[in-house]
Amino acid sequence: AQSVTQLGSHVSVSEGALVLLRCNYSSSVPPYLFWYVQYPNQGLQLLLKYTSAATLVKGINGFEAEFKKSETSFHLTKPSAHMSDAAEYFCAVSDNWDKIIFGKGTRLHILP
Amino acid sequence: NAGVTQTPKFQVLKTGQSMTLQCAQDMNHEYMSWYRQDPGMGLRLIHYSVGAGITDQGEVPNGYNVSRSTTEDFPLRLLSAAPSQTSVYFCASSYEGLGEQYFGPGTRLTVT
Repeated sequence: AQSVTQLGSHVSVSEGALVLLRCNYSSSVPPYLFWYVQYPNQGLQLLLKYTSAATLVKGINGFEAEFKKSETSFHLTKPSAHMSDAAEYFCAVSDNWDKIIFGKGTRLHILP
Repeated sequence: NAGVTQTPKFQVLKTGQSMTLQCAQDMNHEYMSWYRQDPGMGLRLIHYSVGAGITDQGEVPNGYNVSRSTTEDFPLRLLSAAPSQTSVYFCASSYEGLGEQYFGPGTRLTVT
């Protein structure tokens, strides 16, 4: 059975600092992995996805994530936080194209 | 393209009432799905459809019905609303399975 765990329901970083949002997954088969972002009062928007090609995946808005099979992790990073990055971020895992499981989300706060 | 549209944006129901949440997409996507989002719970899949005439249950299907008579529309029906169904509901569509999805703006439902 697949599952996903996001460490930290709230993360605060200073503007210009490194953003690191953690995601660990469980899957019985090679997974598809995703990060979505949700801005206030909006639906989710895909940031990036891993589908068994390159382990380092680059997404929109300067975000990237690295698939580490040995650690069953797919952490999201951005070198320099911007105020506009304040949002809720969701990691998701799918074993196939019919089921997807979302993490509980991490709210990112940017401190001026 | 309008993308994924949802109506209404807000709705208040009394316990036992019925209603239909509307969802439409104009991207000719085969896959459509409904989620509910509750604080601290992330998104949970209610029902999904892999094409017109085909639907299946997700993680939390009880109390909800769906049908898919056309590629464009995927309504969600609450037959007898309960306070436990107070939530924000998101519809999503995708070209390839449930992984890379486009989300609507959501419907905020309150059941009293």
